[in-house]
Amino acid sequence: DAKTTQPPSMDCAEGRAANLPCNHSTISGNEYVYWYRQIHSQGPQYIIHGLKNNETNEMASLIITEDRKSSTLILPHATLRDTAVYYCIVVWGGKLIFGQGTELSVKP
Amino acid sequence: NAGVMQNPRHLVRRRGQEARLRCSPMKGHSHVYWYRQLPEEGLKFMVYLQKENIIDESGMPKERFSAEFPKEGPSILRIQQVVRGDSAAYFCASSPPKREGTETQYFGPGTRLLVL
Repeated sequence: DAKTTQPPSMDCAEGRAANLPCNHSTISGNEYVYWYRQIHSQGPQYIIHGLKNNETNEMASLIITEDRKSSTLILPHATLRDTAVYYCIVVWGGKLIFGQGTELSVKP
Repeated sequence: NAGVMQNPRHLVRRRGQEARLRCSPMKGHSHVYWYRQLPEEGLKFMVYLQKENIIDESGMPKERFSAEFPKEGPSILRIQQVVRGDSAAYFCASSPPKREGTETQYFGPGTRLLVL
């Protein structure tokens, strides 16, 4: 079973920031928090990951709480092409265990 | 640097036939993972391989399914005697050798298998 909990769906206005929450209260000390997204039926796309510190790349920012029990993915200026299912996954080592994710709809 | 490549992108088989799905990892990646996505469902892990070794096959069905990643060439997911319930999208991911305990997996575009 997935070790994360995400809201099933969210809406966001185009051009605004999208903030996607994730709870992972049973995360272990060496497990990373990864975010992927799946646009329509394409292959999952890697977005960002972190262990303890906040992270930022060209796609998004990842904010991890100090106790590491939750995190937030931030898409700073959402576009229509960001409409997708977003998956938050905690992992160490091999397999990724996907939950149901959050279906983000970016609306004009 | 080319991404993960999968072929064929679409595969149609009749019940009882064999399906072979191929995955070429990204350059420099020695770890391959296979995942399956049934219609209207989430992605499920199937198997994790390194060159010539199966590391974790806990998600593989016990019968008819096998996977290999030879020293040379792509990784192959083989499904024997396909049934309609095998119709799904099969995704391959690859990662570089592990240095910190976990490495990012990059996914291919998938193979859509349809069993008639």
